[in-house]
Amino acid sequence: ETGVTQTPRHLVMGMTNKKSLKCEQHLGHNAMYWYKQSAKKPLELMFVYNFKEQTENNSVPSRFSPECPNSSHLFLHLHTLQPEDSALYLCASSQDGTSGYSEQFFGPGTRLTVL
Amino acid sequence: GQNIDQPTEMTATEGAIVQINCTYQTSGFNGLFWYQQHAGEAPTFLSYNVLDGLEEKGRFSSFLSRSKGYSYLLLKELQMKDSASYLCAVMDSNYQLIWGAGTKLIIKP
Repeated sequence: ETGVTQTPRHLVMGMTNKKSLKCEQHLGHNAMYWYKQSAKKPLELMFVYNFKEQTENNSVPSRFSPECPNSSHLFLHLHTLQPEDSALYLCASSQDGTSGYSEQFFGPGTRLTVL
Repeated sequence: GQNIDQPTEMTATEGAIVQINCTYQTSGFNGLFWYQQHAGEAPTFLSYNVLDGLEEKGRFSSFLSRSKGYSYLLLKELQMKDSASYLCAVMDSNYQLIWGAGTKLIIKP
């Protein structure tokens, strides 16, 4: 595997379910990110981890819970979601989350549908 | 507040040139990025500007004017495969990317 991978690619869940999204990067990067992408809206930064420490939480509802066990893996735990949470969830990584020129590499995303 | 503006959609002809504009107002500036995103795929990096001027990379060029809060992406010799959304993003003072909503570029034969 190369680059940034995400599983599952598609997920349909009810509002009472609990599920987790997984992201893995094979680039030796130190920063990882979760974004939400809704149709015709800008990418919304949700969480940032830099050297496994959470450095950003952009007022994300507590029904989204991130976990970063090491610098290569990132999870997003989901519970009691709402239909408006349906979106594409993108994971990204970069060499360093505290420098200007630090290109972010994105995974293919998980298309989430909440019924 | 922080804001990135870019046109919602543009149409151009195969073989032609198109310029996609981006204006921004952010708290701090640590560079401007352009990404390409094909439908159903991940965004991929195209260019980075931190100093004023033009950066050229093959058929794609990106320009930045920090005093005007303005950038453009110039695509030359358009090909059908260039049909995609183009995302402008500014890195703010906290090194976080602030994103525009993207410009959907439609290429016609």
